[in-house]
Amino acid sequence: EPEVTQTPSHQVTQMGQEVILRCVPISNHLYFYWYRQILGQKVEFLVSFYNNEISEKSEIFDDQFSVERPDGSNFTLKIRSTKLEDSAMYFCASTLAGAQPQHFGDGTRLSIL
Amino acid sequence: AQSVTQLGSHVSVSEGALVLLRCNYSSSVPPYLFWYVQYPNQGLQLLLKYTTGATLVKGINGFEAEFKKSETSFHLTKPSAHMSDAAEYFCAVSERGGYQKVTFGTGTKLQVIP
Repeated sequence: EPEVTQTPSHQVTQMGQEVILRCVPISNHLYFYWYRQILGQKVEFLVSFYNNEISEKSEIFDDQFSVERPDGSNFTLKIRSTKLEDSAMYFCASTLAGAQPQHFGDGTRLSIL
Repeated sequence: AQSVTQLGSHVSVSEGALVLLRCNYSSSVPPYLFWYVQYPNQGLQLLLKYTTGATLVKGINGFEAEFKKSETSFHLTKPSAHMSDAAEYFCAVSERGGYQKVTFGTGTKLQVIP
């Protein structure tokens, strides 16, 4: 069964550094998402992306965050200047459309030191 | 706005006993409802979904859930717990289709006692 793949599985970064989290959605999917889960808390929506533009973003997704689909397969989340509170598990998801559920990757654990 | 409430952050059951994980939702439009399971150090796996039609939905691993509009509930059940069911379970809601953002509950950790 096709899967959403995320790399790396664990990223350790110094505070203030830029980080890029990478995702390869399922190949025929059209809608792409990032979510995050701070340790011990619930999964929170960050941003959705469709037709090469952001379709919705949450209050968390401020100017420090950006997303990009640089080619036909990758979907990236960039955090420009990381803060301690950015430490979390980041999940990428994708879906085809309509009533189809979102498929999630295994996540990238981001640790900010 | 949509929201999800999961009653009980931790639930313990004996192996072979009934599993019941509670979920109530709030949505301004007819919702799409989901249950996801997260095993340790893994991602979110879809257990089952309700979109339209039959209100009792069956999922993987013997789980099922019933959509009750009058109670705004979508409780997850399994007749007989197995050790491998130990995981964290998330109820989630999406408005107007699966392509919309998903709002998750806070999760329920299920412990299965041998």
